[in-house]
Amino acid sequence: QSALTQPPSASGSPGQSVTISCTGTSSDVGGYNYVSWYQQHPGKAPKLMIYEVSKRPSGVPDRFSGSKSGNTASLTVSGLQPEDEADYYCSSYAGSDNLNVVFGGGTKLTVL
Amino acid sequence: QITLKESGPTLVKPTQTLTLTCTFSGFSLSTSGVGVGWIRQPPGKALEWLALIYWDDDKSYSPTLKSRLTITKDTSRNQVVLTMTNMDPVDTATYYCAHRRSSSWFSWGQGTLVTVSS
Repeated sequence: QSALTQPPSASGSPGQSVTISCTGTSSDVGGYNYVSWYQQHPGKAPKLMIYEVSKRPSGVPDRFSGSKSGNTASLTVSGLQPEDEADYYCSSYAGSDNLNVVFGGGTKLTVL
Repeated sequence: QITLKESGPTLVKPTQTLTLTCTFSGFSLSTSGVGVGWIRQPPGKALEWLALIYWDDDKSYSPTLKSRLTITKDTSRNQVVLTMTNMDPVDTATYYCAHRRSSSWFSWGQGTLVTVSS
């Protein structure tokens, strides 16, 4: 069982917005502003989409945004495009005295 | 441009020790705040963090696998090595190494599939 809880699936039509949640505890998501999100297409390595809750690495479209409230982080994809269909994983720092890194179980995003 | 590449055996027998090497370029593991770690993904399953080593040689391990893992670095050769003892078929997975900064995995290798079978 993964340390962070994500819905197994999410979907939306092209042009719509979809939000994926990632729920942890005060020891990880809620305790640090170090939540990151990764996109993984089938057979490919994961790609960083969001770091430090809401920052986008260079080259990531601004259609991708992140936020956090309490122990739950969220990834929002606006203006859905067919190429956004992929698995998405959240991750959080969990402190040096505990599990240092935790991942979510992943969410399969389907563009209808 | 940052690149990482994993290398090692594709097939190991149960009880054997797995040794994987991550060779990277485009950054230095002697730079403050930088780390390299290992993450694995069993077929059809989620990502699982294994181990992490920092520029100052600080190391951390997944609590559930800590007794089986060792991570080391060779800064001059731009390599990080992971060893995992007592391999079992449930350890069959794609193993990734990744560049870490700002508590995030910024760049990933292509991954290497390791199958554990007799």
